[in-house]
Amino acid sequence: RKEVEQDPGPFNVPEGATVAFNCTYSNSASQSFFWYRQDCRKEPKLLMSVYSSGNEDGRFTAQLNRASQYISLLIRDSKLSDSATYLCVGREGTALIFGKGTTLSVSS
Amino acid sequence: NAGVTQTPKFQVLKTGQSMTLQCAQDMNHEYMSWYRQDPGMGLRLIHYSVGAGITDQGEVPNGYNVSRSTTEDFPLRLLSAAPSQTSVYFCASSYHPTESNQPQHFGDGTRLSIL
Repeated sequence: RKEVEQDPGPFNVPEGATVAFNCTYSNSASQSFFWYRQDCRKEPKLLMSVYSSGNEDGRFTAQLNRASQYISLLIRDSKLSDSATYLCVGREGTALIFGKGTTLSVSS
Repeated sequence: NAGVTQTPKFQVLKTGQSMTLQCAQDMNHEYMSWYRQDPGMGLRLIHYSVGAGITDQGEVPNGYNVSRSTTEDFPLRLLSAAPSQTSVYFCASSYHPTESNQPQHFGDGTRLSIL
């Protein structure tokens, strides 16, 4: 089975902290990668796509290292509203392969 | 613009019953898919479709059927429900996924319990 592996956590951090999640993938042919966010008992929603050159969206930075086959997500200045499960996703052809998710809990 | 609509939101079935989970999207997306999400397992692909009249199996297709007679609708049928099919089911759609980084749009999910 093609795998996308994530540390399940939970990551418990205080407000304002910087937290990083890593994800590894087993299939070097994977073409595209994404981070999705899933709140408890809700549907997953796209957080950001991941590009080899790295990309930033406000407090969120995503990075792809194809040589090492890992993807990272950095969240700066964590907010209470960032508490959620973050899903690492790889695309292989027409199929999306989801990691099991990393749970983040931000506390005041 | 409703996006992806799933019905029902909740369902309880007895073992052996059949039912259809409905999924409709109004974004003219070519690609539609069904996932199940179980605790500790992440989302697993059941079936997918790249256009009307075309369907294919995902990672866990056994016990499920799909059809795609229109672009908008992609129903998932449970032929004979089993307790192992107790799960949360998500339908998703996107423009063709091989055309750049197309995000998946998910429905709200159907929470299905098989007794």
